[in-house]
Amino acid sequence: AAGVIQSPRHLIKEKRETATLKCYPIPRHDTVYWYQQGPGQDPQFLISFYEKMQSDKGSIPDRFSAQQFSDYHSELNMSSLELGDSALYFCASSQGTSGVPEQYFGPGTRLTVT
Amino acid sequence: AQKVTQAQTEISVVEKEDVTLDCVYETRDTTYYLFWYKQPPSGELVFLIRRNSFDEQNEISGRYSWNFQKSTSSFNFTITASQVVDSAVYFCALSRGEGGSEKLVFGKGTKLTVNP
Repeated sequence: AAGVIQSPRHLIKEKRETATLKCYPIPRHDTVYWYQQGPGQDPQFLISFYEKMQSDKGSIPDRFSAQQFSDYHSELNMSSLELGDSALYFCASSQGTSGVPEQYFGPGTRLTVT
Repeated sequence: AQKVTQAQTEISVVEKEDVTLDCVYETRDTTYYLFWYKQPPSGELVFLIRRNSFDEQNEISGRYSWNFQKSTSSFNFTITASQVVDSAVYFCALSRGEGGSEKLVFGKGTKLTVNP
């Protein structure tokens, strides 16, 4: 079965640089979510999109922005990177409005800011 | 506000032992979903099980079983006859039930180590 695809899997950036993370949800899933997981921590919700419209927003810094495109893939743009942005970034998708709320996660992008 | 508490930070067992992971949740919603996810050392998050707030029937699926009790706001997860491959961090999570496309609120996780 198709899974959520994320790219790149690993990314190393320097402080103040920008980064773009990409996510391709499972086909026919209507909602995409982004989560940030710091070392030894639980995943924290950043933002979600339902049918290409932003549906919810969590603790996402103003330096971050995201969007979902017409082909349903999503991108998380991160600017003015800080050391504290080093984390594992997950994208997930679900078919919630069809009564299947469980979210399936991609393998994650490990971002290291030096 | 929603909150998930996993009081057990780390658990260590010997292979073939049964192990129960505790989860207590708080929510004001009348409709909600509860989940368990597994995060092995490789880092991915794997969906295991989901329960709806209106369905308290407890089930068994292979070596996994779960005990959902609304009266105590608990959603405990048991692995029977544990195996080394069960070693991972297990997260309990909660989402609102309205619409079905709601964010997950995770507990802090329980690190399970199964020793041979």
